[in-house]
Amino acid sequence: QIQLVQSGAEVKRPGASVKVSCRASGYSFTFYYIHWVRQAPGQGLEWVGFIDPSGASTSYAQMFQGRLTLTRDTSTSTVYMELTSLTSDDTATYYCARVRGPLLADDAFDIWGQGTMVTVSS
Amino acid sequence: DIQMTQSPSSLSASVGDRVTVSCRASQSISNYLNWYQQKPGKVPKLLIYAASSLQSGVPSRFSGSGSGTDFTLTISSLQLEDFATYYCQQSYTTPPTFGQGTKLDIK
Repeated sequence: QIQLVQSGAEVKRPGASVKVSCRASGYSFTFYYIHWVRQAPGQGLEWVGFIDPSGASTSYAQMFQGRLTLTRDTSTSTVYMELTSLTSDDTATYYCARVRGPLLADDAFDIWGQGTMVTVSS
Repeated sequence: DIQMTQSPSSLSASVGDRVTVSCRASQSISNYLNWYQQKPGKVPKLLIYAASSLQSGVPSRFSGSGSGTDFTLTISSLQLEDFATYYCQQSYTTPPTFGQGTKLDIK
């Protein structure tokens, strides 16, 4: 079946970096953009960025410019999110999500990963 | 960025009630509006896309309407499993933006 499987929970010190993976299966990986969305404890959903798995073009939310890198490995159908210079404000569950329509950057998110909790604490 | 504003922020209702949640965009987004349901500790689930299209597998008691700047999610007859938080999201342009959420709980 179509699914996105993310890597496990992370605990990081302030100033460190984290790299979260999202492995896709059950569909043509390069046809569907992957977005990242985060949710701080008890808060709403916040868009982080997206990557086009076919050509690797990316777009990042303004607040993460300079700290965020999205990459992909087509040989393993995996997308990676790396966030640097972590602060306590980055403590959140990070979700990868697939868009519903092929070759569309902007669309509804129909398939979600299970989420990866990133905790930033000294 | 396009701002999405939901109302109400919270809502108490009973099983069997008809419930509506509103979402307003800060500019016209045509019908590029999606609705998600999220239960505590769970992953968001797509309910409605393109303002009024029901995602596969979602019960028909859920419906969506609207275009331009004003949208509505309606649950025709609340079931126990519907008590959750609901989010709207615009996919008209990057960055996609979400409403702040509407928490629906049992009266």
